[in-house]
Amino acid sequence: EDQVTQSPEALRLQEGESSSLNCSYTVSGLRGLFWYRQDPGKGPEFLFTLYSAGEEKEKERLKATLTKKESFLHITAPKPEDSATYLCAVPLNAGNNRKLIWGLGTSLAVNP
Amino acid sequence: EADIYQTPRYLVIGTGKKITLECSQTMGHDKMYWYQQDPGMELHLIHYSYGVNSTEKGDLSSESTVSRIRTEHFPLTLESARPSHTSQYLCASRDRGLGNTIYFGEGSWLTVV
Repeated sequence: EDQVTQSPEALRLQEGESSSLNCSYTVSGLRGLFWYRQDPGKGPEFLFTLYSAGEEKEKERLKATLTKKESFLHITAPKPEDSATYLCAVPLNAGNNRKLIWGLGTSLAVNP
Repeated sequence: EADIYQTPRYLVIGTGKKITLECSQTMGHDKMYWYQQDPGMELHLIHYSYGVNSTEKGDLSSESTVSRIRTEHFPLTLESARPSHTSQYLCASRDRGLGNTIYFGEGSWLTVV
């Protein structure tokens, strides 16, 4: 069954305490993996797209990596403003990405 | 940065009222989507459109309807709102190509009392 699983569900860090969020998937024939950040009451904000195993992308304190089975979102020296829910999504191998499978997200809280 | 706009951002209406949530994008994207998301829950696709005059139901059954008369505009309508329709509605769009990024609007919070 096509599935996207994110862990942990929730994570609380102290400011400056680096950590990683995980997104594992069972979709065959990966055609991209998306990371989004969502603040409470707002729409998801695009962060990264990864297309192939071994690919890495960085943006400020965030770095996303991809293997054949999972993706990690590494957060280096986080700040309170990094607090948000981080979502990953994978398109089904159906010839289009109308159907995205979304993870439930990791709720990150960074304490000052 | 995404140029996709939703109005209203917040709406409280009475049961039985008709409402339309507006969504516009200025990026010229062919594909547009409506998602429904309850607080702390996952995103559910309720409608999508491949282009003008093309609309289809999504994975989650919804009593809402959509139209796509212009590329940039994708409104969602509820003919008779009920408390069960209380939720956040997110509009999104993307360009052609399988892996192209989906961009979201800020969302419309609907409360039906």
